[in-house]
Amino acid sequence: EVQLVQSGAEVRKPGESLKISCKASGLSSSSYWIGWVRQVPGKGLEWMGIIDPRDSDTKYSPSFEGQVTMSADRSSNTVYLQWGSLRASDTAIYYCARDTTMLRGVPFDVWGQGTLVTVSS
Amino acid sequence: DIQMTQSPSSLSASVGDRVSITCRASQSIGRWLAWYQQKPGKAPELLIHMASSLQSGVPARFSGSGSGTEFTLTITNLQPDDLATYYCQQYNSYSGTFGQGTKVEIE
Repeated sequence: EVQLVQSGAEVRKPGESLKISCKASGLSSSSYWIGWVRQVPGKGLEWMGIIDPRDSDTKYSPSFEGQVTMSADRSSNTVYLQWGSLRASDTAIYYCARDTTMLRGVPFDVWGQGTLVTVSS
Repeated sequence: DIQMTQSPSSLSASVGDRVSITCRASQSIGRWLAWYQQKPGKAPELLIHMASSLQSGVPARFSGSGSGTEFTLTITNLQPDDLATYYCQQYNSYSGTFGQGTKVEIE
């Protein structure tokens, strides 16, 4: 079974750093990327960017470029999303999702369960 | 950046009705358009990709159409389980933008 399992909810103070994870299982080694999507509570979905787990090639939305860093550990089939200095406005649910646009023309067809990040003093 | 605009932002319909949601792109995106369903408290689920290709396992009462800048998601025979927010997304190899969402309520 294809699955993306994300790390648990986090609470941080403004200015702190954070790294959340998304572990893939049941996915073949064929070409797929992993994307990240932000959802502020009660609001819509925002496309943050995508990363190729094979070589860590990364494409960011202009809105998130420089605000977050995506990385990957190929050996553990895990991708990461990290912040160097969190702000209250980073409070949101973050989803990871598989993207096979380049291989099959199919975007986010498998989703993680989401990670709630709360930033509050 | 390509902007995606959905309408309406919300709608209410009865069980058995046919409903349509429109998504407009700020520039031509060919058929690189997907639709997602998000139920309360859940992750989104892919319904349609390439404007009209039904994702495996999705009921046939969901359908998509359009190309270029204007797209439509149609739900025929609306069911109580269709209570959700629906999002369109333009996508290509290296970027993606979501519409603001359409909340569907059952009367």
